[in-house]
This record gives sequence, structure tokens and C-alpha cells, in this order.
Amino acid sequence: AQSVSQHNHHVILSEAASLELGCNYSYGGTVNLFWYVQYPGQHLQLLLKYFSGDPLVKGIKGFEAEFIKSKFSFNLRKPSVQWSDTAEYFCAVNARNYGQNFVFGPGTRLSVLP
Amino acid sequence: ETGVTQTPRHLVMGMTNKKSLKCEQHLGHNAMYWYKQSAKKPLELMFVYSLEERVENNSVPSRFSPECPNSSHLFLHLHTLQPEDSALYLCASSQELVRVGANTGELFFGEGSRLTVL
Repeated sequence: AQSVSQHNHHVILSEAASLELGCNYSYGGTVNLFWYVQYPGQHLQLLLKYFSGDPLVKGIKGFEAEFIKSKFSFNLRKPSVQWSDTAEYFCAVNARNYGQNFVFGPGTRLSVLP
Repeated sequence: ETGVTQTPRHLVMGMTNKKSLKCEQHLGHNAMYWYKQSAKKPLELMFVYSLEERVENNSVPSRFSPECPNSSHLFLHLHTLQPEDSALYLCASSQELVRVGANTGELFFGEGSRLTVL
């Protein structure tokens, strides 16, 4: 079955540190890839998405992600985190052969210390 | 403001009660979704509707009953729930059903309805 894994359950960083959150998926065909963020007490919102073309995609708030097809990965990066980036981050995959099912990873909680 | 509004935000119910969750989207989207978010578990897709027609039902117990009277409204009717059904129930919408390779895949989420079953 299609699945999404995220490498870390909880990441703790100091402000200005660089961030990389890992995401791997199991499906070998054509996929759409997403990163969503959920700030404390708020709704899930889209950070960035990949459909086709340049595998390096840029999103809001200085985030970017790189799609590496050979590694089935879509890692999220930010060169310098801020306290306001404290949130839970979810990787998600959609593949046509799995219907309309966005499969979400279990999430990574990021805590940024001031 | 997400354009997707869920009510109530919090609900406490006993196992014999009947209640409903409501979702309304103001984005002109054609597809709507119910997700369940439990602690330490991935988001679970429950139901998908496109143009008021149910297109996916992910083996959800019959004590959860969805209703989509029009493309802007989605309900989740609850009856005889179990304590393990306590979770955050999220409604989402998208412009249309997602097609791989097409730039239509973004889900817009509501803030959720926090359900506690006693």
C-alpha cells in the first residue's frame, strides 16, 4: 500500500539554525507531493507543492523542498529557522492509481527555541 | 480565515447521542473531504465527495454517516460512537478532484471539530 514516512517525530532547533525534514514515500509511479504546516491552534495550510518540472520547489516563508525521484524523497528545507516556525509539518502524496487519497505522513513537530 | 468553516469547534457527546458536524466552504470548490486526525497517527481520509456524489469511502464504520446536500456543504452525522472515536475531525475542499500532474491538488482545510466521546 502507498505510504509516507517522515524521519523525525520531534525536532528541536535554535533560531537561525538550518532545517531539513525528511519525507519518503513508497509509490513508484507519477505522484503529486505536498508539505503542509499546522501552527499551534490553527488549521493545516499548504507550504509548497510539486506537480512537475523543476524538482526544487519554493514555498511560503522561505521554505523549499527537493523532489528526488530515484530516492522517493521530498525533503523540506529552510536555511535559517525562526521561533515562529514552531509547528507540525506534514508531508503528503497523491497518486492517481490510489484514487483521490491524499496519503499523509505522521508529521514532524518542530520546536524552535528563541 | 481559510474559506472552510467547521462547526462546532468542540463537541462532547455520550456514546448513545446523535450529533452532527458541519462544514461549509466559500471557495467555489467542487470536491470536499472528511479527515480524522488522532494523536500520534497520520491523518486518515474518511470520505470524499465530488459535485455532491460520494467518490470514496475508506472503510469507515457505519456509525459515521456523511451527507453532501450541495457542493458548498458537507455534514458528518455521528451516532453510537465509541471513546476511540475521540479525535479532531477535519473538513477540506479542493477545486476539483485531484489529478496527478495537474495543478489542482491543493487541499484547503478548516480548523477542525474537536470531538470527545465519553
